[in-house]
Amino acid sequence: NAGVTQTPKFRILKIGQSMTLQCTQDMNHNYMYWYRQDPGMGLKLIYYSVGAGITDKGEVPNGYNVSRSTTEDFPLRLELAAPSQTSVYFCASSRISTGGLNQPQHFGDGTRLSIL
Amino acid sequence: DQQVKQNSPSLSVQEGRISILNCDYTNSMFDYFLWYKKYPAEGPTFLISISSIKDKNEDGRFTVFLNKSAKHLSLHIVPSQPGDSAVYFCAASGSSNTGKLIFGQGTTLQVKP
Repeated sequence: NAGVTQTPKFRILKIGQSMTLQCTQDMNHNYMYWYRQDPGMGLKLIYYSVGAGITDKGEVPNGYNVSRSTTEDFPLRLELAAPSQTSVYFCASSRISTGGLNQPQHFGDGTRLSIL
Repeated sequence: DQQVKQNSPSLSVQEGRISILNCDYTNSMFDYFLWYKKYPAEGPTFLISISSIKDKNEDGRFTVFLNKSAKHLSLHIVPSQPGDSAVYFCAASGSSNTGKLIFGQGTTLQVKP
């Protein structure tokens, strides 16, 4: 019963390096999301996807890229890491909205990323 | 522009008493509201939700109240238990059918034995 799995759990990057945060879900959810949470703040949406091949920007997309080639996977790419991207990153998934109501999102345990 | 606000960063209550967590929103287009609970080093876990067509939803010890005219919702936990100690996030969604959520800053609840 894995749910949403994120890897790695922790990572330290140097300024200017790149990396990919992995996210996979085994619930056959169509919708997937990436959030970041800064200390003392709520979660802010980076990118989201409503299905394979479809992605769109959230509130804070600058400095990130995503792809969605399969239903299960939704990786988040940082091309040129900056100190401002130090944060905890959460991936989430949900079923398609039904009856006009959005479905609750299921979250992974997060990736703690420090950029020095 | 903070569309969802939780103005109390922390709350401390005695075990067995009621915990009331508050949330305000500014966007009248929001029509679905959720509460998530988060333990350290874990992802948020869905707790309870309410649609804008209702003013109350109950699930065991947890009840969410929605006051649309005041753009305010609250989560009541009765009775509070030490295991309820966590950060609670309020979130809101509009009718975009994408499931996008706007989160509040969170309230840290401590339930003392």
